[in-house]
Amino acid sequence: AQTVTQSQPEMSVQEAETVTLSCTYDTSENNYYLFWYKQPPSRQMILVIRQEAYKQQNATENRFSVNFQKAAKSFSLKISDSQLGDTAMYFCAFTRTSYDKVIFGPGTSLSVIP
Amino acid sequence: GAVVSQHPSRVICKSGTSVKIECRSLDFQATTMFWYRQFPKQSLMLMATSNEGSKATYEQGVEKDKFLINHASLTLSTLTVTSAHPEDSSFYICSASSTRTGDEQYFGPGTRLTVT
Repeated sequence: AQTVTQSQPEMSVQEAETVTLSCTYDTSENNYYLFWYKQPPSRQMILVIRQEAYKQQNATENRFSVNFQKAAKSFSLKISDSQLGDTAMYFCAFTRTSYDKVIFGPGTSLSVIP
Repeated sequence: GAVVSQHPSRVICKSGTSVKIECRSLDFQATTMFWYRQFPKQSLMLMATSNEGSKATYEQGVEKDKFLINHASLTLSTLTVTSAHPEDSSFYICSASSTRTGDEQYFGPGTRLTVT
């Protein structure tokens, strides 16, 4: 069975600084998808970034980038130039395909301090 | 991007009654919908997977007779909490996917259920 682990329950970062959120996962699959979701106080799940396991290149989306280490089963999220609006819960997630269930990690609560 | 709605956004019901939550894909046909449950300060836990026209597949530990899921059309899935109890109070989130959405699921805004 697949599992997703996030070892940092809470983190904080100064506005404009860079922060990295950690995520590890366990699977026997070779092809799969990894995601980082943001859940602000509104509780709406927002996709931040996704990575296909078959792609070696790390995904980037503006200020968000990932460090995907397939052999180590590690998938960290780097947020550059942190903004107050980045304050939220961040969930690392795994799925085999879009038709399959998404398995979420326990989450990291990120606070951006002005 | 694709839009998924949920109705109602908040509901309060009395213990012993049933409540229905709707999940709709507004601009695409969702072949698969998922229902999650989230307790305060916790992660999302999958309850069941529903495919249009077939019975839902429930995760281990989820009572299928208590949480009735119907996916009668390609744009609508419903979750009915039967004989609700205070411990059923939670935040319920649905997501939907289809061949059009590719490798991504789209999430609804969630429904907060409070059982008094």
